[in-house]
Amino acid sequence: DTEVTQTPKHLVMGMTNKKSLKCEQHMGHRAMYWYKQKAKKPPELMFVYSYEKLSINESVPSRFSPECPNSSLLNLHLHALQPEDSALYLCASSREGGFATEAFFGQGTRLTVV
Amino acid sequence: AQSVTQLDSQVPVFEEAPVELRCNYSSSVSVYLFWYVQYPNQGLQLLLKYLSGSTLVKGINGFEAEFNKSQTSFHLRKPSVHISDTAEYFCAVSTRDMRFGAGTRLTVKP
Repeated sequence: DTEVTQTPKHLVMGMTNKKSLKCEQHMGHRAMYWYKQKAKKPPELMFVYSYEKLSINESVPSRFSPECPNSSLLNLHLHALQPEDSALYLCASSREGGFATEAFFGQGTRLTVV
Repeated sequence: AQSVTQLDSQVPVFEEAPVELRCNYSSSVSVYLFWYVQYPNQGLQLLLKYLSGSTLVKGINGFEAEFNKSQTSFHLRKPSVHISDTAEYFCAVSTRDMRFGAGTRLTVKP
């Protein structure tokens, strides 16, 4: 199994809603990542978890709250988002942190904030 | 800090023609280099990677890339492209974390 599974595939939420994005991998990887990708732009790193601990937060606004319940799961909790937060949110994992080996990406969640 | 520059934002090419997508990197330490492909509304798929060893790296779908330390380049090549190769291609560099170039849109025309 070399898949990273993200749910949901599409999400539309209002600015007062609370929602969560989910990511799961069963490759035994110990590093997991959230990226944000706007249209026609490269992915931008948001958070890195290494061995279930937050190791990198790229100055992401607090309305995005990551959580790593165990080594296979990664969540991104969303609250009070703005329309400019609409984007494709990508989850990735790698065997170890530091990306010395390849990262495997999920298909992404297309988020629209209305 | 490491970074990558993709020199072409768009590359149009006819089917069965060769193609080269250019990538230059900068880093003060040893780097690991990657090329990823992204089809519309999908995640990123790894094409190939350079970690160490041979400077010519072969990947999936007939792509290859050459690591050139003196020119700090990692250009992606394919000798004959197909319509299905139309996609966005990202060069990436990794040390502490992974950083992507701006991307190159490859459009293969019949």
